[in-house]
Amino acid sequence: EAGVAQSPRYKIIEKRQSVAFWCNPISGHATLYWYQQILGQGPKLLIQFQNNGVVDDSQLPKDRFSAERLKGVDSTLKIQPAKLEDSAVYLCASSRGGGGAFFGQGTRLTVV
Amino acid sequence: KQEVTQIPAALSVPEGENLVLNCSFTDSAIYNLQWFRQDPGKGLTSLLLIQSSQREQTSGRLNASLDKSSGRSTLYIAASQPGDSATYLCAVRENTGKLIFGQGTTLQVKP
Repeated sequence: EAGVAQSPRYKIIEKRQSVAFWCNPISGHATLYWYQQILGQGPKLLIQFQNNGVVDDSQLPKDRFSAERLKGVDSTLKIQPAKLEDSAVYLCASSRGGGGAFFGQGTRLTVV
Repeated sequence: KQEVTQIPAALSVPEGENLVLNCSFTDSAIYNLQWFRQDPGKGLTSLLLIQSSQREQTSGRLNASLDKSSGRSTLYIAASQPGDSATYLCAVRENTGKLIFGQGTTLQVKP
């Protein structure tokens, strides 16, 4: 069974530029999560999807971050415009039913 | 609002020691609890999943326990090895599916 796929692995952009991250969850997993992990901290939930509907986006900075999950499969997270404090690892995870969550390798974003 | 706390934040032990990592949560109405391992620059690897109706789970040298009523979970690592050095994270899943993480415990096992 293929795991959660994320791309790109690394991205360096200048502040005020835009960036997009892509996630392909494990086949059949209805729940998809995006997390932000700042160095030395635990992951912080940005948004949770159930199929293509948003369950929780209470911690998503909606003035600059957006996410979508068209057709309930792949998902894209976008930042526009980026700030220095957005430098972090962005993790995608998926789960099915009452099972555990599985994570991708993450995208390391550096904003300069 | 659910809060997850992990103590200690960092731990250094000599090889061969048995050790316990702690995780506490404020709301006992959880669906399950999951322990993860994270190596530097890598994603999260699932170690153990405990459903809310279970008391413990074991995998090799790892044993995780759950006491929902007191809001606590422990991860026991037997006979630690240098290869166990990593950050260990616990996460509680609420009934809505929301997954909330602690800050992690960074473990160093010295040869």
